[in-house]
Amino acid sequence: DSGVTQTPKHLITATGQRVTLRCSPRSGDLSVYWYQQSLDQGLQFLIQYYNGEERAKGNILERFSAQQFPDLHSELNLSSLELGDSALYFCASSVDGGINYGYTFGSGTRLTVV
Amino acid sequence: EDQVTQSPEALRLQEGESSSLNCSYTVSGLRGLFWYRQDPGKGPEFLFTLYSAGEEKEKERLKATLTKKESFLHITAPKPEDSATYLCAAVARDAGNNRKLIWGLGTSLAVNP
Repeated sequence: DSGVTQTPKHLITATGQRVTLRCSPRSGDLSVYWYQQSLDQGLQFLIQYYNGEERAKGNILERFSAQQFPDLHSELNLSSLELGDSALYFCASSVDGGINYGYTFGSGTRLTVV
Repeated sequence: EDQVTQSPEALRLQEGESSSLNCSYTVSGLRGLFWYRQDPGKGPEFLFTLYSAGEEKEKERLKATLTKKESFLHITAPKPEDSATYLCAAVARDAGNNRKLIWGLGTSLAVNP
């Protein structure tokens, strides 16, 4: 157990729907990162939050949004889902921006859009 | 454009057969390089951070090295439990001077008993 908790582990939904993925970072970590991983594109950075504030944005689609709450858990909202959104979604957290100890990843949410 | 390339894409070894995985990077102003291990269906697990050319780090059968253009992950006398995908990521700065990670696609390692 890495200490980063992601729910749900699996999600199957239809095109056009909206889903919410949840992440609880490791205790003491202020930064949360969201990544998408598909077979052909590897790990793609979506967005980072630090202590409730958006810190950096990557290749996040406009249909996707995220937030970090006062208790530091984070949610990633995916809307108007398309078949191509099927992927593994990982949340990671870090204590020092990942400088010395890297990022700690959760086990991921596998999203299947049918 | 910042880029990280890992080779080979896949590698199959016999137990005890040592080898090296390569991570080549083209990153302006490298701030560090990470190595991760990822098992199927799980999140990447942090292995090493390297900061400057010439630096080496070891953990059990793994040793990571860094030059100005590439990093190597040497696996000595591997065991079947070393089978996994190994990812590297280079740390760079974006236009706003924020840290960003540039990830490679990984090397899938299979170690046969």
